[in-house]
Formats: sequence, structure tokens, C-alpha cells
Amino acid sequence: RKEVEQDPGPFNVPEGATVAFNCTYSNSASQSFFWYRQDCRKEPKLLMSVYSSGNEDGRFTAQLNRASQYISLLIRDSKLSDSATYLCVVNRGGTASKLTFGTGTRLQVTL
Amino acid sequence: DVKVTQSSRYLVKRTGEKVFLECVQDMDHENMFWYRQDPGLGLRLIYFSYDVKMKEKGDIPEGYSVSREKKERFSLILESASTNQTSMYLCASSLSLRGLYEQYFGPGTRLTVT
Repeated sequence: RKEVEQDPGPFNVPEGATVAFNCTYSNSASQSFFWYRQDCRKEPKLLMSVYSSGNEDGRFTAQLNRASQYISLLIRDSKLSDSATYLCVVNRGGTASKLTFGTGTRLQVTL
Repeated sequence: DVKVTQSSRYLVKRTGEKVFLECVQDMDHENMFWYRQDPGLGLRLIYFSYDVKMKEKGDIPEGYSVSREKKERFSLILESASTNQTSMYLCASSLSLRGLYEQYFGPGTRLTVT
């Protein structure tokens, strides 16, 4: 089983739609969770950290379910500029600084 | 803003050549990382350094070595480049403070070995 699993997509959605991505992780000792965004042929950039209580940043909402070991990202009112690959990322247990990256979910927002 | 820079965006080398990839960060981060990214495989950790002169193997260290002589600089060395090392190489850095593990990436070096 992969340490971090994501549906690779692509998710093709019209502008203005709401889209949700899920991710599961296998290491129950992981304590830090993130969503990164990666544009085509560019480096990954931190989109948001994911906290146990759930957190929101504008149109983006992230949630964590520790019992089921999954993380979600919800994007509301999708924009063309949201088209990218979204990487689910977890740390490798406890206070480990090393991160494990999922292979990403590709989102294409269309007119 | 954290800035991580890499010495080259594109590099073409021949099989058997020694290759140096340089990474510099300007935010006094303790941790630095080298990854390679290949289609369908995602980011895979090659080596990690948590302090000057300290290094730790990642998931795929074979064929690579690293050097960290100064806190801001982390070098990846391909001792004898091979075609299966053609890839996108990404450097990242992070703080060591508890709970602050997010990593910041450089723009990447696309290496082609012919």
C-alpha cells in the first residue's frame, strides 16, 4: 500500500463548480498534513496546512479525519487559474521533518 | 518570502559525466532536501540534511551523494551520470521548529543524460 494515495484524475470541471479531492495516508503516527499545488513544469508550492479542526482559506477548505486517515480539499467557485495538480502531503510520523508526497490529483477548470 | 534557488533550470550531460546540482536558500533553514520527480512516481526523496555536514539517505540514494558545507547551500552530486537519472530535480528547505514542517521548493533542474 502506498504511504499517500490520491486519485490521479483528471477532474474536469466548469468554472464556478465546487470540486473535492480526497487523500488517504497509511502512517498513523503522521502529525502534519498539507496540500501543495503544482503548476505544469513548475515547483510545488504550499497551498495550505491541514489542521485537526479543519481550516478554510478563501475558497479552499481542508479537513482531516485521523480516525479514517484521510484528508480532503474542497475548492468552491472554481476559477480557470485553479487548474493545476494538487499534492497531498504528510510528515513521516511524530516530529519527523521528512514529508511523503502523494502523486497528485490533476484539476482542469474549463469555461 | 522564502527563496530557494537552483543553479540551472536545464542541464544536458553525457553518460559517465560527474554532475553537480547546487541549491541555495536564504531563510536560515536547518533542513534541506533533494528530490527527483518523474511522471507517475511523484516526488521521491534522494537525500536530506538537517545541519551543516550532516546528511541522511532518503528513499532512493543510490548513484547520488550530497554535500553541505554551509547552512544555506546543499549540493547533489551524480558521480557517474546514467540515462536513468534523467529527471526533474527539486531542492527544498524547511525549518526544524516543532510543527513547522512545510517545505519550500526551488524552481527545479531538468536534467537530461544522453
